[in-house]
Amino acid sequence: DAKTTQPNSMESNEEEPVHLPCNHSTISGTDYIHWYRQLPSQGPEYVIHGLTSNVNNRMASLAIAEDRKSSTLILHRATLRDAAVYYCILLLNRDDKIIFGKGTRLHILP
Amino acid sequence: EPEVTQTPSHQVTQMGQEVILRCVPISNHLYFYWYRQILGQKVEFLVSFYNNEISEKSEIFDDQFSVERPDGSNFTLKIRSTKLEDSAMYFCASSGPSNQPQHFGDGTRLSIL
Repeated sequence: DAKTTQPNSMESNEEEPVHLPCNHSTISGTDYIHWYRQLPSQGPEYVIHGLTSNVNNRMASLAIAEDRKSSTLILHRATLRDAAVYYCILLLNRDDKIIFGKGTRLHILP
Repeated sequence: EPEVTQTPSHQVTQMGQEVILRCVPISNHLYFYWYRQILGQKVEFLVSFYNNEISEKSEIFDDQFSVERPDGSNFTLKIRSTKLEDSAMYFCASSGPSNQPQHFGDGTRLSIL
């Protein structure tokens, strides 16, 4: 399985943008890049996904490098509620099992 | 927005007893999953279920575990003869037709005494 690499933790101030990086240098041409997050005491939650083009939704934006070997999840204006562990995951199909790594623990400072 | 619901939220069981964890997936979803998360560790895949049969299972999902979709709405995980190391959060997830992302419940905390 293609693997992803993320920083263990990041900090950001409330109401500022946050850029969460992910490296996936062994990604295959058919892998989709997914982001999930896990808020404290909750189950994982889907955030966004993409294949080649940048994507936007109500939660976040996903910027994908032209060579697809890295991507960045962008939270445009972080709130305290965005404090969570963020997982960058490669999936061939969205119904594939998810193999979670350690993710990035995002701390938001008030 | 529809959601995956899990009951109970917390289950305490004596070692060696059987336990059944229950999940109600989102109604039009076709794919069902169980994951677990031991305290302080990663979320781990246990099993996926589609068309009334197991489609994939991990090494963790041994003969002690079984899954069932007894009716059109529930999806259950049974653990026979529980062990101390089965203590964990168990998450149910489902995904729909047309290649939709997985939706997770808030989990059942299983404590084995």
